[in-house]
Amino acid sequence: DAGVTQSPTHLIKTRGQHVTLRCSPISGHKSVSWYQQVLGQGPQFIFQYYEKEERGRGNFPDRFSARQFPNYSSELNVNALLLGDSALYLCASSFRSPGVTQRGEAFFGQGTRLTVV
Amino acid sequence: QQPVQSPQAVILREGEDAVINCSSSKALYSVHWYRQKHGEAPVFLMILLKGGEQKGHDKISASFNEKKQQSSLYLTASQLSYSGTYFCGTEDQAGTALIFGKGTTLSVSS
Repeated sequence: DAGVTQSPTHLIKTRGQHVTLRCSPISGHKSVSWYQQVLGQGPQFIFQYYEKEERGRGNFPDRFSARQFPNYSSELNVNALLLGDSALYLCASSFRSPGVTQRGEAFFGQGTRLTVV
Repeated sequence: QQPVQSPQAVILREGEDAVINCSSSKALYSVHWYRQKHGEAPVFLMILLKGGEQKGHDKISASFNEKKQQSSLYLTASQLSYSGTYFCGTEDQAGTALIFGKGTTLSVSS
């Protein structure tokens, strides 16, 4: 089975532009989460989606938005890009639904390296 | 609340052991451990659920002390392939987002 796939792998954008990042979860996984990782830091939570509904949101401005589609794939959108948005954006998928007491390993995709110039 | 990892960095020779700690100020439901190599995505190592669980995978094992809200990752007889940055991710409730620590960088040399 394929793992979590993200596209594109690398992206260069100019300040003020908009960007869309895509993620396909592992087959059978209905939960998708987005993380931002800047150099030297751990991944920072942005959004969690389950069954097309937002289940969690991290401390990020409204310029960041996301959605999940019926096939459980997801998009992360960032508007009005700033230099500080340059980072590795990671998508993780899990089979567990929020609130259910069971193991919920989260597997990461290879990430999208976004550079804002 | 971000978990605190210690130490920040470890330098080892092949065959030596290391312990990486992860502690939280909040009650935890689970702890997840990942290893990330430079320029790559984090790779899942293991998950521990509350209940004082201990797990092992090859020569890497971990424990979770629910009362102390702490987890430790044990790497024994380290290999060159163990080099990388280790992150713990914590959940305070089932199915919530993982909150990651700042990471512990492990360097293993021959």
